[in-house]
Amino acid sequence: DTAVSQTPKYLVTQMGNDKSIKCEQNLGHDTMYWYKQDSKKFLKIMFSYNNKELIINETVPNRFSPKSPDKAHLNLHINSLELGDSAVYFCASSQQTQDTQYFGPGTRLTVL
Amino acid sequence: QQQVKQSPQSLIVQKGGISIINCAYENTAFDYFPWYQQFPGKGPALLIAIRPDVSEKKEGRFTISFNKSAKQFSLHIMDSQPGDSATYFCAASYSGGYNKLIFGAGTRLAVHP
Repeated sequence: DTAVSQTPKYLVTQMGNDKSIKCEQNLGHDTMYWYKQDSKKFLKIMFSYNNKELIINETVPNRFSPKSPDKAHLNLHINSLELGDSAVYFCASSQQTQDTQYFGPGTRLTVL
Repeated sequence: QQQVKQSPQSLIVQKGGISIINCAYENTAFDYFPWYQQFPGKGPALLIAIRPDVSEKKEGRFTISFNKSAKQFSLHIMDSQPGDSATYFCAASYSGGYNKLIFGAGTRLAVHP
């Protein structure tokens, strides 16, 4: 009965590979987000979707591509992984603008 | 102008003491100020939030104080407990900003027994 779930929890891969992280929420929320938390624990928003429409697209390399097949899912695909992509990626969801954002448990990505 | 500055970076408090974390912002359009708590290996979770129409909000041992003219807000944890040891993030967003949260850099709190 996890509210916001992410898979995988850990992802270790080589530079240059392509990988995906999946996120699902069972809260019935309309809006979903991807955040990146770096090694200094700084949290920064990357993308947000509202009802499958992209509404926030921060200055993120175009190697990162979010995809929302439906309101309950928001996946993140990363092409040509680089060392600097190593971080913890969090998915979150909320019902409406300025409502509480509920975060998933995170996916720790390590690029070797 | 989008920044939220948080201090201190780390804080050590004795059990039963008061923990105080401060944040300052520049963008006067911000109108929602949440605090998130993050335990190691977990995602952030909303602790308490305030809007600028009130100067203080209290929930149990946690209080937000908000000073609109100074563009500052702070989190006070009364009677701090070892279980409060976590990283705390302040954040801000504004209406029309699609709920885009701008986070502070975080404060690592350690409460010693």
